[in-house]
Amino acid sequence: QMQLVESGGGVVQPGKFLRLSCTASGFIFSSVGMHWVRQAPGKGLEWVAFVSFDASNKFYGASVKGRSSISRDNFKDTLYLEVNNLRVEDTAVYYCVKERSRTWSFDFWGQGTLVTVSS
Amino acid sequence: QSALTQPASVSGSPGQSITISCTGTSSDVGGYNYVSWYQQHPGEAPKLMIYEVTNRPSGVSDRFSGSKSGNTASLTISGLQAEDEADYYCSAYTITYTWVFGGGTKVTVL
Repeated sequence: QMQLVESGGGVVQPGKFLRLSCTASGFIFSSVGMHWVRQAPGKGLEWVAFVSFDASNKFYGASVKGRSSISRDNFKDTLYLEVNNLRVEDTAVYYCVKERSRTWSFDFWGQGTLVTVSS
Repeated sequence: QSALTQPASVSGSPGQSITISCTGTSSDVGGYNYVSWYQQHPGEAPKLMIYEVTNRPSGVSDRFSGSKSGNTASLTISGLQAEDEADYYCSAYTITYTWVFGGGTKVTVL
């Protein structure tokens, strides 16, 4: 069955750098686009970033644009998110999400990894 | 890109039908038929319930249905059941190659 397993969360100081990873299995990772979506504690969902199946297209949400980078390694079936200059408001559970091809919807979600930005 | 507008809460008795609205603009909800809905139970990851306004993934109950008129999309849950109590989020693809979510609606089964 499909699995998405995020890692790399934890407590990070403001202004620092963070790299999240997501390992995929149970589907052909190299054929689908992938997203990161986050959810602050007790709050709603916020789309963070998207990378197309071949990494030729990358798009970012306004709150992380310019200080983050989404990437993928189709040989390792792994998705990444790097965020620089972390802010307290980046505190959230970060979900790795598989797209439902050509429907612009979020098909399958990982269980998420919690990032806490605090001094 | 501003969040889509959803009611904070909706409630209904078992067996009733409820509808959750999701209002955006012509740049997102009204611009494409790429509206989707998600169900999230406490402590769990969200689950796709509706995609492309009206389509249900396999395994999702046919008690869930979606529609759209202009800049407002809707999710209807018919024959409300206790297990439907959860948070529901709408999402739309936008003309700026981004995605936007609604603020979420808490559904309570009375």
